[in-house]
Amino acid sequence: SYVLTQPPSVSVAPGQTARITCGGNNIGSKSVHWYQQKPGQAPVLVVYDDSDRPSGIPERFSGSNSGNTATLTISRVEAGDEADYYCQVWDSSSDHPGVFGGGTKLTVL
Amino acid sequence: QLQLQESGPGLVKPSETLSLTCTVSGGSISSSSYYWGWIRQPPGKGLEWIGSIYYSGSTYYNPSLKSRVTISVDTSKNQFSLKLSSVTAADTAVYYCARQRGGIFGVVIRYYFDYWGQGTLVTVSS
Repeated sequence: SYVLTQPPSVSVAPGQTARITCGGNNIGSKSVHWYQQKPGQAPVLVVYDDSDRPSGIPERFSGSNSGNTATLTISRVEAGDEADYYCQVWDSSSDHPGVFGGGTKLTVL
Repeated sequence: QLQLQESGPGLVKPSETLSLTCTVSGGSISSSSYYWGWIRQPPGKGLEWIGSIYYSGSTYYNPSLKSRVTISVDTSKNQFSLKLSSVTAADTAVYYCARQRGGIFGVVIRYYFDYWGQGTLVTVSS
């Protein structure tokens, strides 16, 4: 089955830019989606189709996808952005189409 | 506003069957635009897709769970359900139901989960 690899943790100071990566074989050919999950809460979709934002998600959240790496970028990071972030793809070529990355804990210093 | 709500026992004994229901409100489960999925998260761990269903009853499952999973839909009640048999402690997790949207665009498949239930913790223990 398809594997998505995320760094376990990323740390950033308030006001700086956080970049969370999601690695996968030729992931640039797939559509990547990102979720934010705060403790005790359900995941929230923050980016879909590589770079689109759902209604209500700040413009500070953006995404890109090329080659073997997709990236979620959070600009002007705020304390409230501290959370776990998961990438997700749908892989039709495998028998396990629904795939999530292992998650990245974003810490705001 | 679409809302999803999981319901079912919070404690299941080993070797028994876990049964959960997701009730959808604020929208129709019979919409041709969406699938409906189950995702779980063991304590302190990441998300795992369990399976998905279309309103017609078409399903697909995570192969690692396929032999034990059944997902069904009841359009008259606007609900879909999960059954996981022969549970062990490894099945202890928060179980989420979610709306799956997207589709197939050329050679790219773009399914994602845009609305989630709050989740329900199911503990497997005697």
